[in-house]
Amino acid sequence: HSILTQPPSVSGAPGQRVTISCTQSDSSTGATYNVHWYQLIPGTAPKLLIYDNSNRPSGVPDRFSGSRSGASASLAITGLQYEDEADYFCQSSDTSLSGWVSVFGTGTKVTVL
Amino acid sequence: DLQESGPRLVRPSETLSLTCSVSGGSTRSDIHYWTWIRRPPGKGLEWIGYVYYSTTANYNPSLKSRTSISIDLSKGQFSLRLTSVTTADTASYFCARQTTRGGLYFDSWGQGIQVTVST
Repeated sequence: HSILTQPPSVSGAPGQRVTISCTQSDSSTGATYNVHWYQLIPGTAPKLLIYDNSNRPSGVPDRFSGSRSGASASLAITGLQYEDEADYFCQSSDTSLSGWVSVFGTGTKVTVL
Repeated sequence: DLQESGPRLVRPSETLSLTCSVSGGSTRSDIHYWTWIRRPPGKGLEWIGYVYYSTTANYNPSLKSRTSISIDLSKGQFSLRLTSVTTADTASYFCARQTTRGGLYFDSWGQGIQVTVST
């Protein structure tokens, strides 16, 4: 199935902009599917930040944005805040003989300096 | 809302059983996959599998031989069974709702339950 590769870590000072890449490879069909992004903070439910490459659910601050170009997707955080320190995962789909499978990226830890 | 429950300690070779209770929505939905995901300590997220409308289930090929996900529509719950566990199955286990409208994303998650496999 697909492999989604992310940088292990990114960091920035408060107020800065950071980006996290998510590069897809080895799809079983060669097709690429929509990419979604999640924020994980220990002790809390994971949070959907971006769906279908660039859409933001209601309630997600507009400092989070997503983009997609071919097999690569990115999550940008502008105006970085201390509360943004968390792990971030991209997610996409792939097909199998038994149906859809979900694939997560390798994960990126964001540190606010 | 989704809420995981079950034993937090499982012995090696035994069966891990978890339940996810769904409130504020219906497991009878025909547009959602009811899913289990886990995160071993220090590692990334791993998709385990889903059940759909009690008729269809699909599993991660790497776990398929040991995994079963079922749903109780009357109780608004779905469950995970993972047999013959080893220490490699120690993880935080999350239940989640995946929408089939659009790009198959997880729009609601439980807080997760930490399960340790140990003697």
